[in-house]
Amino acid sequence: AQSVTQLDSHVSVSEGTPVLLRCNYSSSYSPSLFWYVQHPNKGLQLLLKYTSAATLVKGINGFEAEFKKSETSFHLTKPSAHMSDAAEYFCVVSGKNNNDMRFGAGTRLTVKP
Amino acid sequence: KAGVTQTPRYLIKTRGQQVTLSCSPISGHRSVSWYQQTPGQGLQFLFEYFSETQRNKGNFPGRFSGRQFSNSRSEMNVSTLELGDSALYLCASSFTGTAYNEQFFGPGTRLTVL
Repeated sequence: AQSVTQLDSHVSVSEGTPVLLRCNYSSSYSPSLFWYVQHPNKGLQLLLKYTSAATLVKGINGFEAEFKKSETSFHLTKPSAHMSDAAEYFCVVSGKNNNDMRFGAGTRLTVKP
Repeated sequence: KAGVTQTPRYLIKTRGQQVTLSCSPISGHRSVSWYQQTPGQGLQFLFEYFSETQRNKGNFPGRFSGRQFSNSRSEMNVSTLELGDSALYLCASSFTGTAYNEQFFGPGTRLTVL
C-alpha cells in the first residue's frame, strides 16, 4: 500500500525568497515520486520525477527535490520564488501501475509581492 | 506536438441525467487515465485504458464507465448523476502507462450537477 502526506495545505512566501513544500511518503516497495503543479483552471503539469536514479532531482522552472529514503521524504524546493509560481502543488507516489498512484492533498503556494 | 485535449470544458447537468466526457491523448500515447478532483476528496483515480482495454480501475461505483477507441481517444460516461459527482474530471495520457512514464494531463472538464 502506498500513501503520501503533504505537510502544509498552504504556504505563503515573498517574491525572491526560498520555497519549501514538504512531502512524506509511505510505500511497500521502491517508489516513483513526482511533483505536479496545477494553475487555476488548468490541468496538472509535471515539475519533476524520481525513479531510483539520482536522489537530487532537478525539474522545470528552477524547482528541485531531494529523495531521502531514511526520512521517507521528497520535499520540493526553489531558491527564489516568482509571482508565476503561485499555484497548487501535488506530491505523487506511484507503484507499478497507474491505479497505484496516490496524490497528496495539495499545497497551495501564495507568492506575495 | 499537441497536448491532451478534453471536451467539453464545462458541463451543467441535473440529477439523474447521464454525461459523456471526451479525451484525446497526445499522438502516440496508448494509455489514457481518468481522475476525479474534488475539494473534499482531492485527486482520485477512476480507471485506465490501454489499447482499448480497461487495464486498471479505481474504487468508484459502476455508474462510472469508460472506453477507448482504436485511435486511443477515450470517453468517460457517468450515468444517473448525483450531486456528489460535481467535480473536475482530468484525463491523462502516457506512452505505456507504467510508473516510469510521465503522465500528461489535459485541462479537465468541470462538471456541475444541479
